[in-house]
Amino acid sequence: NAGVTQTPKFQVLKTGQSMTLQCAQDMNHEYMSWYRQDPGMGLRLIHYSVGAGITDQGEVPNGYNVSRSTTEDFPLRLLSAAPSQTSVYFCASSLAGTFRTGELFFGEGSRLTVL
Amino acid sequence: AQSVTQPDIHITVSEGASLELRCNYSYGATPYLFWYVQSPGQGLQLLLKYFSGDTLVQGIKGFEAEFKRSQSSFNLRKPSVHWSDAAEYFCAARPGSSNTGKLIFGQGTTLQVKP
Repeated sequence: NAGVTQTPKFQVLKTGQSMTLQCAQDMNHEYMSWYRQDPGMGLRLIHYSVGAGITDQGEVPNGYNVSRSTTEDFPLRLLSAAPSQTSVYFCASSLAGTFRTGELFFGEGSRLTVL
Repeated sequence: AQSVTQPDIHITVSEGASLELRCNYSYGATPYLFWYVQSPGQGLQLLLKYFSGDTLVQGIKGFEAEFKRSQSSFNLRKPSVHWSDAAEYFCAARPGSSNTGKLIFGQGTTLQVKP
């Protein structure tokens, strides 16, 4: 019963390096999203997807790319890491649709430090 | 703009005392409302949700929340707090008419429990 799986759990990068945070869900959820969590700021939406081949920007998309080639996977790419991207990143998924309550299921998080 | 506000950043209560965490939302129509809990180093777990019907909703771990349309509030309550309830709590909302799972989160309230 895996749910939402994120890898890696911890990562340290140098400024300018690139990396991909992986996210996979096995619940056949149409909706997937990435949030970042920073102290005192709650969770802020980076990017989201309502299905394979469809992505859109959230509140804080700059510096991040996403793609959704399958229903199960939603990787988050940092093309050129900056210290401002030091954060805890959460992937979350849900069933989409107007008449669904849409509660999110979260992964355990990926803690990223950019030096 | 749509927003969710948690006025209390940090709350300390004694074990066995009652608890109320405040949440206010700003939406054009009644949104779907959620409370999540995050234990240290963990992802977010859904405590309860409201989308229609009875304005007092019951959740897991003995929590309940009351939706008050007139006050645009969805406060979380527990009659008797246990030391294991120490965590960060997030209120979240999304428009009822939305066909995505895009949630907006409050800033979070950290609960400390004194023995």
